[in-house]
Order: sequence, then C-alpha cells, then structure tokens
Amino acid sequence: DVKVTQSSRYLVKRTGEKVFLECVQDMDHENMFWYRQDPGLGLRLIYFSYDVKMKEKGDIPEGYSVSREKKERFSLILESASTNQTSMYLCASSGGQGRSYEQYFGPGTRLTVT
Amino acid sequence: GEDVEQSLFLSVREGDSSVINCTYTDSSSTYLYWYKQEPGAGLQLLTYIFSNMDMKQDQRLTVLLNKKDKHLSLRIADTQTGDSAIYFCAESTHGNNRLAFGKGNQVVVIP
Repeated sequence: DVKVTQSSRYLVKRTGEKVFLECVQDMDHENMFWYRQDPGLGLRLIYFSYDVKMKEKGDIPEGYSVSREKKERFSLILESASTNQTSMYLCASSGGQGRSYEQYFGPGTRLTVT
Repeated sequence: GEDVEQSLFLSVREGDSSVINCTYTDSSSTYLYWYKQEPGAGLQLLTYIFSNMDMKQDQRLTVLLNKKDKHLSLRIADTQTGDSAIYFCAESTHGNNRLAFGKGNQVVVIP
C-alpha cells in the first residue's frame, strides 16, 4: 500500500514565523503535490513537483515556497506565516505503474497561525 | 480551463441510497475520480472511471458518466453511518499530472 506521511497532524505558529511542513512518500512516485483545504473552497493546489529539484506553481503559490531535494520528500515552506495561512494542508503523490494520475493523500496538517 | 462543480450538502437516512452529483467543463478529461474524506483525515480514492466508459459498479458504489452533459454521479447503495464524509470528484487529462477537484459534497447519514 502507498503511504504518504506528513510530519505533524497539528501545528500552532505565531505570525511572522518560518514554518516547514514535511511530506514523505514510500512508493517512488515522481509527482508530489501540496494543497490547502478551506471550508467552502475545497482543495486548492499550492505547488507541485514532477521530479527531484523541479517545482511548478499551482493556483495559489503566493506566500509559499517548496523544496524537493530527494524523490520521496516534498517540503512546503511558509517564509513568514500569516493568519490567513491558517488552514488544513494536504500532501499527495502520484506516479509509477498503473494509474499514474491517481493521487494518494497524507492525513493532513492542521496549521493555526496566531 | 478545468472547472468542477458539486453541490455542498446531502442528508440521507441509513439504509437508503445516496446520489452525489458533479459537473465538469473540460471535454478532454480522460479520468474521473471519486475521493472520500472522513473527519480529520486525508482524501482516500474510492473509485475512478475512464472517459470511454459510461458506468462502473464496485460493490455498493455505482459511478455514472454522461460525457455529452459532462455529468458524473456516485450512487451509494444501502448507505451506512460510516459513509458520512465529504466526497470530492476530480478530473484529469492525459499527460497532465494535475487533478482538478470539486469543492466537495458533505454527506451526513442519519441513523
């Protein structure tokens, strides 16, 4: 079974802090994604990566950056956290044999910025 | 561009059937998916359908695809309390690694 893990389930940070959210997948997937989920807005894509050291902006990249130094790990960075970045953050991966577009999700990190 | 629309809320009695609907705009969609999100969890793939199919059945789940109207539905037979969740439809196109998700449909099963 594919496993996607996220470093924290819950996180509380102060405004202006630098925040790192880590995601690791164990299925050698090429593609990895970061979404945020807010009530009434569904999932919105922040950034994605289709290979090591490659990244592409999603629909709402402002205020975020990402890093993919190893194939299994994709990090989301909030350079200076703001209260409007309080949200649920979901990581996903896809690729490999079979249904390459199917995405597998981690359990999510609920971030609160105070 | 891709745009996926879903209604937001459905309440259903345990044992009844529930139907969740979704419309999409991208006629080049090749795969359409249904994901389930239980409270406090990530999304879990329930089922998917290729765009050259019009129906797929998987135990209590039936997916219907109307390509002409760009309409996708998920029917859950004999709905159980464990089916209470948010359901997302999503689409992808060949060669595109991204999925376009709907906003989700909250299903509440009443015992």
